[in-house]
Amino acid sequence: QQPVQSPQAVILREGEDAVINCSSSKALYSVHWYRQKHGEAPVFLMILLKGGEQKGHEKISASFNEKKQQSSLYLTASQLSYSGTYFCGTEYREGNDYKLSFGAGTTVTVRA
Amino acid sequence: EPEVTQTPSHQVTQMGQEVILRCVPISNHLYFYWYRQILGQKVEFLVSFYNNEISEKSEIFDDQFSVERPDGSNFTLKIRSTKLEDSAMYFCASRPEGLYNEQFFGPGTRLTVL
Repeated sequence: QQPVQSPQAVILREGEDAVINCSSSKALYSVHWYRQKHGEAPVFLMILLKGGEQKGHEKISASFNEKKQQSSLYLTASQLSYSGTYFCGTEYREGNDYKLSFGAGTTVTVRA
Repeated sequence: EPEVTQTPSHQVTQMGQEVILRCVPISNHLYFYWYRQILGQKVEFLVSFYNNEISEKSEIFDDQFSVERPDGSNFTLKIRSTKLEDSAMYFCASRPEGLYNEQFFGPGTRLTVL
């Protein structure tokens, strides 16, 4: 089942902050975040694991509230390069299968 | 670094024709996916494939669509009779088995139906 992302779009000036939220009705094992630049494929940003461990390689932080099945992505002191569409992917179990379901995306535009 | 590859990068076809989009997932991955992105719109899930069968499919994935893993390395998406509204970027993705594994996307195939 697809997670719900909010907001759908956000416009920022360079240096401003933004938060993107992702929520699911499923019990989650992890939350993934991806970013898609215009005309390109989505690229993995980070994964947040049940239990609090976080793996990523970008200067973008996120949190995962396991109780509420919610995750938030924090864009701090945004740069022009942060522009793109951000997708959350929620990982849950269905039978013996671990599935990854993506949200509809949040379009971020950072202006100079 | 291993990557998902897709061919062709751009396919132009006439309405009603069949097209096959090809993907080579990363070799030790076991989950395979197709997504569609109509220009200017969100990425839409089409189908996931695991253990030689469809694991999940969306409402978009109707009888006009089929997927196949013909030879253990390729993963194909066939559209039997293309419509104008099938024009989109099609992304293939793959993922290893198990928890906590990221999904790797291919560069996409742009399909234009005339």
